Amino acid sequence: NAGVTQTPKFQVLKTGQSMTLQCAQDMNHEYMSWYRQDPGMGLRLIHYSVGAGITDQGEVPNGYNVSRSTTEDFPLRLLSAAPSQTSVYFCASSRHSSDTQYFGPGTRLTVL
Amino acid sequence: AQSVAQPEDQVNVAEGNPLTVKCTYSVSGNPYLFWYVQYPNRGLQFLLKYITGDNLVKGSYGFEAEFNKSQTSFHLKKPSALVSDSALYFCAVRADNYGQNFVFGPGTRLSVLP
Repeated sequence: NAGVTQTPKFQVLKTGQSMTLQCAQDMNHEYMSWYRQDPGMGLRLIHYSVGAGITDQGEVPNGYNVSRSTTEDFPLRLLSAAPSQTSVYFCASSRHSSDTQYFGPGTRLTVL
Repeated sequence: AQSVAQPEDQVNVAEGNPLTVKCTYSVSGNPYLFWYVQYPNRGLQFLLKYITGDNLVKGSYGFEAEFNKSQTSFHLKKPSALVSDSALYFCAVRADNYGQNFVFGPGTRLSVLP
């Protein structure tokens, strides 16, 4: 099993550009989530999904979109990048919402 | 509302000494409590969890944590620290109510000195 994979590992964007962060898991987990990690603030939940076709907002959803067309994939889209979105982004999955989460290796995003 | 506090940004301990990383929480309902560890430039790795049952939970790499309901705490402990334990540690909590998500603490950086 590859577990949770994320691409790309690093990305530099200019303000206003859009991009998609990819996340995939091969554990047949129903629950998937996106977090951003900023120094001194821990992980903050952006969006989550409890199954294919179902998504919902977390604590900091503004500026981000998600979709869940399959159980395996949960891409995160930045619509119009802003410097405030400079962060490290982690995708995670678990069997259900209260279970142990498995994290991907992260994407380090810089917005200039 | 759910919240997690990790009152220490940094914990320094000598190799071979016991270590404690503190976590206190606030939830409405019964808590699910987790500890994760993050090594440099890596994702978070699961260490241990408390769902129900014994208050003392044993996890990976010799770590354990004690759930204290009256003090709303879930401190992470290890009897003898290793230099390789140096990392960033996160406590996470969610209530057992339907529709809740996990809330993570700000993290505590543990440095084990040789």
